[in-house]
Amino acid sequence: QVTLRESGPALVKPTQTLTLTCTFSGFSLTTSGMCVSWIRQTPGKALEWLAFIDWDDDKYYNTSLMSRLTISKDTSKNQVVLTMTNMDPVDTATYYCARRRRDDDTDSYDFWGPGTLVTVSS
Amino acid sequence: DIQMTQSPSSLSASVGDRVTITCRASQNINTFLNWYQQRPGRAPNLLIYTASSLQSGVPSRFSGRGSGTDFTLTISSLQPEDVATYYCQQTYRIQTFGQGTKVEIK
Repeated sequence: QVTLRESGPALVKPTQTLTLTCTFSGFSLTTSGMCVSWIRQTPGKALEWLAFIDWDDDKYYNTSLMSRLTISKDTSKNQVVLTMTNMDPVDTATYYCARRRRDDDTDSYDFWGPGTLVTVSS
Repeated sequence: DIQMTQSPSSLSASVGDRVTITCRASQNINTFLNWYQQRPGRAPNLLIYTASSLQSGVPSRFSGRGSGTDFTLTISSLQPEDVATYYCQQTYRIQTFGQGTKVEIK
């Protein structure tokens, strides 16, 4: 079955760089239509898409954050890594990775990781 | 950017009630509209994709309708386990989530 799990530091200091890893199983990121995306949710707030990478290694970023974000994949390890530079307390949020399936039938996030809470504080 | 506006922002209904949530797009998104359920403390879960297709494993009391700019998610008979926040998402151009609708039991 398809699973995803986020890993990374629970606490980062302001101005530091955050590195998060999404480790997945049950699908291949080389299969046409498959993508992995990062989404975050600040406490009590709605969902904000950050970035995604597709089967063809194309990368897409939220334009409001793209200067701070880098997404990459390691297909041999079934991992997707997101880095976010210059972290600020307003970036405190739960960060999710999710599988995005894009084909003739759908363009949606059909599987999600449990999320990881990242707190930015000195 | 395409803006997604959900209404109401919250609602309270009794078990067995029919509940409808509305999502409006700021421009035509065809049927590139998904609905997610997020129970407290959990990750979101896909309910409906492409406006009206029920995701595998989702109870049939959930249904979606709409195209263009106006969409609805309906729970035909509200159950206690449906207490959650519901989000719409457009994937027509880039992607955007709605601000969420919190559903509670009266």
